[in-house]
Amino acid sequence: GQSLEQPSEVTAVEGAIVQINCTYQTSGFYGLSWYQQHDGGAPTFLSYNGLDGLEETGRFSSFLSRSDSYGYLLLQELQMKDSASYFCAVRVLSGGYQKVTFGTGTKLQVIP
Amino acid sequence: GAVVSQHPSRVICKSGTSVKIECRSLDFQATTMFWYRQFPKQSLMLMATSNEGSKATYEQGVEKDKFLINHASLTLSTLTVTSAHPEDSSFYICSAGSQGAVETQYFGPGTRLLVL
Repeated sequence: GQSLEQPSEVTAVEGAIVQINCTYQTSGFYGLSWYQQHDGGAPTFLSYNGLDGLEETGRFSSFLSRSDSYGYLLLQELQMKDSASYFCAVRVLSGGYQKVTFGTGTKLQVIP
Repeated sequence: GAVVSQHPSRVICKSGTSVKIECRSLDFQATTMFWYRQFPKQSLMLMATSNEGSKATYEQGVEKDKFLINHASLTLSTLTVTSAHPEDSSFYICSAGSQGAVETQYFGPGTRLLVL
C-alpha cells in the first residue's frame, strides 16, 4: 500500500513564505502532486513532479527527491486566500492502472 | 483547465434507498475516472478506479456490491450507493484524467450525501 505523511497544521503570516513537507512510502511510484482544497470545496490541482527537482508555477513551487521519498510545496507571498488544506498525493501504477492516493492534508492558516 | 461536473451537488435520502451520482467530463474524453470519499476533516480516500468499457477496480475495504460504478462512455461515470445507510453520509468526489495527461486529474465539485 501507500503511506504519506505531512504536518497536520501550519500557521504563517501574510506575505511570508511557507513550506509544507511530504514524505511517502509506496511502490510503483510515478509522481507527486499537490492539491489545494478550501472548506466545502473540491480539490484543485496545484503542481506535479514526475522528476527530481523544482517546479515553479507562479507563487507556488514544488520539489521532489525520489531517492529520499520526499517532496515539498512552497508558497510565497502568502495571501489570506491561501488559507486552505493542502494535500500531497502520489501517483502510482498498480495492476496496470494509474491511481492517486492522497496524504492526510495540511491545514494552512494565514494570519494578518 | 478541463471541466468535470457532478450531479447532484447535494442529496438527502432515507436509509435503505439507492442514490446515483453522475460524473461528466465536459470538454475532454476521460479514459480513467476516480471516485473518492471524504469524511469531515479527513483526507480523500480513493474508493475505485474506473476505466471506460471495463470493470472498475475497487480499493481494499470498499464493497463493490454496495458502490456500483459504471463508466459506459468516455465522458460519463456513475456511482450508485445502494441501500444507503447513515454511515454512508459523506462528500463524494470524482476526478477524471485523459490519456497523455497523466500528471493532472480534474476534480468534479463533489456531491454531499446525507442519509437519514
